[in-house]
Amino acid sequence: QVQLVQSGPEVTKPGASVNISCKASGYTFTHYYMQWVRQAPGQGLEWMGIINPSGGSASYTQNFQGRVIITRDTSTSTVHMELSSLRSEDTAVYYCAGGSGSYRGPMFHWGQGTLVTVSS
Amino acid sequence: DIQMTQSPPSLSASVGDRVTLSCRANQSINTYLNWYQEKPGKVPNLLIYTASSLPSGVPTRFSGSGSGTDFTLTISSLQPEDFATYYCQQSYSLPYTFGQGTKLEI
Repeated sequence: QVQLVQSGPEVTKPGASVNISCKASGYTFTHYYMQWVRQAPGQGLEWMGIINPSGGSASYTQNFQGRVIITRDTSTSTVHMELSSLRSEDTAVYYCAGGSGSYRGPMFHWGQGTLVTVSS
Repeated sequence: DIQMTQSPPSLSASVGDRVTLSCRANQSINTYLNWYQEKPGKVPNLLIYTASSLPSGVPTRFSGSGSGTDFTLTISSLQPEDFATYYCQQSYSLPYTFGQGTKLEI
């Protein structure tokens, strides 16, 4: 079965960067697009970006002003999401999600979420 | 970016009720509309994809319809576990965007 396992919670300071990993198993890694979504405390879901694990190309929302980079490592079936220049408003639970072979596909499977806390 | 607007923002209902949630896009998204259920402290769950398709394992009391700009999620008979927040999301045009959610309350 498809499993997405994310790295553990992070506590970090304003201005720093955070890198969250999402290890996929139960399917051929390069067959499904991976997306990232976050949810700040008490807020709704916010879409961040998508990567094609096959070629490595990624697309992002401009809401993060170039602060987010999504990469993949096919040797470990892992997708990474780096968010830089962190602000307190970036405190949120970050999810990887995927399971579709189409870039327009839905997010069938989700990671367990990674809580990132940005605090001085 | 495509703007997704959900209505109502919150809805009070009772077990056994039939409820309909709405989602509107500010431009046509064909049927690239997905619905997710979110409960506090839990991982979001895909309920409906491409406007009307039900993933395996999702109860058949959930259904979706619509195309173009207007979409609905219907729960035919509310169960206690259905009280949650529901989000629509368009996957027609990058960047993909979510609506602000509809909170379904008892």
